[in-house]
Amino acid sequence: GAVVSQHPSWVICKSGTSVKIECRSLDFQATTMFWYRQFPKQSLMLMATSNEGSKATYEQGVEKDKFLINHASLTLSTLTVTSAHPEDSSFYICSARDVSGDPRGGYTFGSGTRLTVV
Amino acid sequence: QKEVEQNSGPLSVPEGAIASLNCTYSDRGSQSFFWYRQYSGKSPELIMFIYSNGDKEDGRFTAQLNKASQYVSLLIRDSQPSDSATYLCAVKRMNRDDKIIFGKGTRLHILP
Repeated sequence: GAVVSQHPSWVICKSGTSVKIECRSLDFQATTMFWYRQFPKQSLMLMATSNEGSKATYEQGVEKDKFLINHASLTLSTLTVTSAHPEDSSFYICSARDVSGDPRGGYTFGSGTRLTVV
Repeated sequence: QKEVEQNSGPLSVPEGAIASLNCTYSDRGSQSFFWYRQYSGKSPELIMFIYSNGDKEDGRFTAQLNKASQYVSLLIRDSQPSDSATYLCAVKRMNRDDKIIFGKGTRLHILP
């Protein structure tokens, strides 16, 4: 089945630094990937839609200059948290859809990245 | 009104019984509906998806969809302790942006 690789699985960084998270579709092409954030005991909140070869589409309230998304190829999207602050500490998860699959179907999730900003 | 609503639980069900999880959605344009299972600290994994009214069965799981009532449910038969997790209901709006929007999830606890 479709596999999405996400790394790092966890990262600790100092306040004010930047962190890059990678999301790769291993055995399929993904023209669109989605980035979610999940705080403890809360649901997944969609942050942005990453489109291959074009600008990402951000959800309302998500700072595009803080959360930089790049989708340079059909198998790789990256999320960079810039000037991280402790309130950015969260579980970040990407997902992708196999374009050759059933368009009514669901998306495959990466394993997630636990970000802790100290 | 939130797009996808679920009772947060926890829902406690004895081992071997049927667990019933419910979800309502607000956008009548939603066309695909999903149930994901999420263990603590892990990312969600897809259990089932459904897009036609009625029931869809897969092993111990049955998804039910009623578009007129904007209601989706998941039944888990012969509940096992390993079924203890948070179950996320999600909907996708076709031909718009293909986004999948999640509910807050229902915590299910299977009592041994």
